[in-house]
Formats: sequence, structure tokens, C-alpha cells
Amino acid sequence: GAVVSQHPSRVICKSGTSVKIECRSLDFQATTMFWYRQFPKQSLMLMATSNEGSKATYEQGVEKDKFLINHASLTLSTLTVTSAHPEDSSFYICSARDPQGGALPGPSYNEQFFGPGTRLTVL
Amino acid sequence: DAKTTQPPSMDCAEGRAANLPCNHSTISGNEYVYWYRQIHSQGPQYIIHGLKNNETNEMASLIITEDRKSSTLILPHATLRDTAVYYCIVRRLGGTYKYIFGTGTRLKVLA
Repeated sequence: GAVVSQHPSRVICKSGTSVKIECRSLDFQATTMFWYRQFPKQSLMLMATSNEGSKATYEQGVEKDKFLINHASLTLSTLTVTSAHPEDSSFYICSARDPQGGALPGPSYNEQFFGPGTRLTVL
Repeated sequence: DAKTTQPPSMDCAEGRAANLPCNHSTISGNEYVYWYRQIHSQGPQYIIHGLKNNETNEMASLIITEDRKSSTLILPHATLRDTAVYYCIVRRLGGTYKYIFGTGTRLKVLA
């Protein structure tokens, strides 16, 4: 399957600083990327949908001014947590949609691939 | 997209088949059933998906009931590395393409 990377894998920052997380599709062009947040022992919560060249669509309750998303190219989306606070500490995961994947439906082929996640700790 | 219900946890002996159920009683005719799993502190991994026919790949089998209101993911010979949280997601092709994750089933494979 296709590969999605995230950088950094782990980050620790002081309260009040901003942190940028990168999500890259390595071997395909992703017209759509998604950002999730996951707290310990909980499920993934979708934060926003990022479309290349346009503004991100945020889920209800997610502050767009706090979680800035940029999808400037077909292989890169970034999530910036602005003025981070301890309650923003979480596991952030991105996924990327391969538009070619939908052309081959079947039990083994998938159209969306997840990154390995970024562990953010705000002190 | 339809919501899903899964048991919170299950145990399975190593080498035995693991059968993970999922209820999706409000599924629509154009919605697929997807299964992903998440091993601790990693991103979700795709397993399999289907519409109405049973499906099998190198990882698992997916059995969907005739009325499509429930499905079962089968790992035929579970190993310790299959210990993970398994998520059943119902989604139609096209549209927003986003996945809404439920609570999943925490599968523990026992030696």
C-alpha cells in the first residue's frame, strides 16, 4: 500500500509555543488529507479535512484559529497547533486519500492511508 | 454515514480464529463496511472492506449478513502481533471520504 509519513514523530514543547506537524504522502498525490486527534485509551476524533489549494473544513467544536491547517501541495499538509497548552497534549494522526485507489475497488485495495502519528506533549 | 457498535474488548487464544462482530443496523445501500486496526501508538492500518459479498484477503475475511446490518471480521489464525484495537467503519464511496471512528474492539491475543 501507499505510504504516509509524519514529522516529527514526537515533540515536547512549552506552554504558549506553536508546534507544526507535517504529513506527507510519499508515493502518491493526495488531493485530500485528514487530521485526527486521539487521547489515551480513546478513539480517533476527526478534526478537519484538508483539500489541496483550498481552505480546510473543520469538524464541529474544533477551533480553526488554534489548529491551522495548510495543504499547499499534493503531497504535503501541515497542522500547526498555535499557543499550545497542556490540554492539547495528544496523539495527532493524519491520513491521505489516494484518488487512484477508488478506481480499483476490491477486498485488498484501499484508498486512504494513515500516517504513524505524532505524539505532542505540552509542558 | 451510519454508526457502528462493537464490543469494547475480546480475548482470543493464539492460533485460534478471532471473530470480531460489528453492528451497523442503519447502513444504507451505498455504504461500504471498512475494517482498520490500530496497534498501540501507531496509525490505523487498513485490513479489508466490502459492500455485500463476503470478502477475503491475505489478512482477514469479512462476512456481511444478508441484510447488511452486521458484519464479522475473521482473523483465521490469530498471533500475538494481532493484539490491537479493531475499528469497524461504515462509509459510502465518494462524498467527503472522511472516516468517523467508533470506539472499536480491543482484541488481546493470549499466548
